[in-house]
Amino acid sequence: IQLTQSPSFLSASVGDRVTITCRASQGISSYLAWYQQKPGKAPKLLIYAASTLQSGVPSSFSGSGSGTEFTLTISSLQPEDFATYYCQQLNSYPRTFGGGTKVEIK
Amino acid sequence: EVQLVESGGGLVQPGGSLRLSCAASGFTFSSYEMNWVRQAPGKGPEWVSYINSGGITIYYADSVKGRFTISRDNAKNSLFLQMNSLRADDSAVYYCAREAARNSLDYWGQGILVTVSS
Repeated sequence: IQLTQSPSFLSASVGDRVTITCRASQGISSYLAWYQQKPGKAPKLLIYAASTLQSGVPSSFSGSGSGTEFTLTISSLQPEDFATYYCQQLNSYPRTFGGGTKVEIK
Repeated sequence: EVQLVESGGGLVQPGGSLRLSCAASGFTFSSYEMNWVRQAPGKGPEWVSYINSGGITIYYADSVKGRFTISRDNAKNSLFLQMNSLRADDSAVYYCAREAARNSLDYWGQGILVTVSS
């Protein structure tokens, strides 16, 4: 299963609303997770089962979608949110990741 | 506190072998499925391998099938990745990650660098 993220790069300002899309090449139900990664660090889980917020993650993050189209939304971008975001499908093996979306400061 | 600590990485020549270890603590290791994920410099994560809690069900990425072997020792709270016939494109940071009920990889280690070069 291929996961296509868009955009691959996003320039935004603090306070902006940001939406990242992840499209699967075939249906994956809700077996999708979103991760945030900062340079030199391991990915950090944000959202699982497409829309469930991981404990401790700010409520400014939300996920939606099922089947083949999913979105990650950051309602109000904070300085600590500038990072690269990846989706991952857990519906079948191999457990593929999307190509990533780098969110940079405008 | 859940902790995953990888070890065993380093520089190896093409065709060589390395064995990565991941020491788990802070949770009941024997109850969780585990994965290895790698990330080449400047690239996104690539899933490598999965093992279920009992060590019976195992999956591999096509890119490592036949060369890498995942295993675990539940008595020692440890996960392993035996890597043989290493190639330059195996160079990456390797992470062990805990799987949460087919929903996500909820905890990751800090990663260990493997460099395959002559």
